[in-house]
Amino acid sequence: DSGVTQTPKHLITATGQRVTLRCSPRSGDLSVYWYQQSLDQGLQFLIQYYNGEERAKGNILERFSAQQFPDLHSELNLSSLELGDSALYFCASSVSSDRANTEAFFGQGTRLTVV
Amino acid sequence: AQKITQTQPGMFVQEKEAVTLDCTYDTSDPSYGLFWYKQPSSGEMIFLIYQGSYDQQNATEGRYSLNFQKARKSANLVISASQLGDSAMYFCAMREGGGADGLTFGKGTHLIIQP
Repeated sequence: DSGVTQTPKHLITATGQRVTLRCSPRSGDLSVYWYQQSLDQGLQFLIQYYNGEERAKGNILERFSAQQFPDLHSELNLSSLELGDSALYFCASSVSSDRANTEAFFGQGTRLTVV
Repeated sequence: AQKITQTQPGMFVQEKEAVTLDCTYDTSDPSYGLFWYKQPSSGEMIFLIYQGSYDQQNATEGRYSLNFQKARKSANLVISASQLGDSAMYFCAMREGGGADGLTFGKGTHLIIQP
């Protein structure tokens, strides 16, 4: 158990809908990362938050947004969903955000299926 | 250009044999970190081992070791005495510089251990 909790584990929704994925980082970790894993794109970094502030953006679509709350949990919001958004979404957390050797621990992922 | 290249889409290895999973990387940043993760069929991402660009010694963690050849920009994972439970996808990843960005992953190697 990595200590990173993601809910829900599975989500099935229709095209055009909006969903929210939730992540609780490991105790003491200030940094949260979101990743998307799909068959065609592989594992891609989406966005990072550190202590409530957005720190870095990767290949995140404009239809997607995230935030990190004062208690450090984070939510990833996906809107106007398309079939191609079906993927495994991971959250990872780490203690800091500004060192290359910062180890990131991953949650179990949320498997999103858009039908 | 790909930053992380894993040239072996799949590998079959006999149980108890050692196995080497290849990873080459591309960066011009002198400060970077290299990571290996294991993803079993259940989907979670399990951190295995880390190597920093300034580390003098190759990293080891139990049966896992990282063969770091900086001049060749390679960071191969070596699993000694393979076990059936080692069957999984293995991903090589890199974080550059200040570490603010997320990990960049390779496409992975599907390792199957045969009895």
